[in-house]
Amino acid sequence: SAVISQKPSRDICQRGTSLTIQCQVDSQVTMMFWYRQQPGQSLTLIATANQGSEATYESGFVIDKFPISRPNLTFSTLTVSNMSPEDSSIYLCSANRGRGELFFGEGSRLTVL
Amino acid sequence: AQKITQTQPGMFVQEKEAVTLDCTYDTSDPSYGLFWYKQPSSGEMIFLIYQGSYDQQNATEGRYSLNFQKARKSANLVISASQLGDSAMYFCAMRESSSNTGKLIFGQGTTLQVKP
Repeated sequence: SAVISQKPSRDICQRGTSLTIQCQVDSQVTMMFWYRQQPGQSLTLIATANQGSEATYESGFVIDKFPISRPNLTFSTLTVSNMSPEDSSIYLCSANRGRGELFFGEGSRLTVL
Repeated sequence: AQKITQTQPGMFVQEKEAVTLDCTYDTSDPSYGLFWYKQPSSGEMIFLIYQGSYDQQNATEGRYSLNFQKARKSANLVISASQLGDSAMYFCAMRESSSNTGKLIFGQGTTLQVKP
């Protein structure tokens, strides 16, 4: 079964800056997914990252704010651009395995001051 | 309308006892999957158990079992023989066949505290 690793695990950033989160899967997967969990809230899908094509964004999320790269079948990055305190969240990378269970990386806890 | 409802914001259970975490769902899709995840304070999301809408038997994984009542649209998680390490947030989630394979709809979660 595949394992997902993310980095950074946590970071504190200044308003107006950008941060790129990396996600590495230890086996090839067709699709990777990025979720956001705001403080005290549940998880919300940001976008689906396919290798070789543009990411597909969910309603309320745009490419300019959350650009995503997917250079190969084991790696993806999510950038949180021009950050504000409202972007303080846990960002989680995920992929499918087996019967379709979605499994997650350890998450990247982002605090924006 | 809420698609996944977890009505228990917080639950307490005595160590070694069993506990049931409630989850109801709403979908018109005949094919769907139901998931439970555990989120400790570290923030990672740990997959616990999966139930497909066409599965004949309730899913079980070690101390976790899913009480799937399709007609009532409920998918409660039962944790047997609770351990202190079970203290965490628990999320119920659903995937509809009409959605992509990575899109899960999550409930608001239930915080479980296991007392020694």
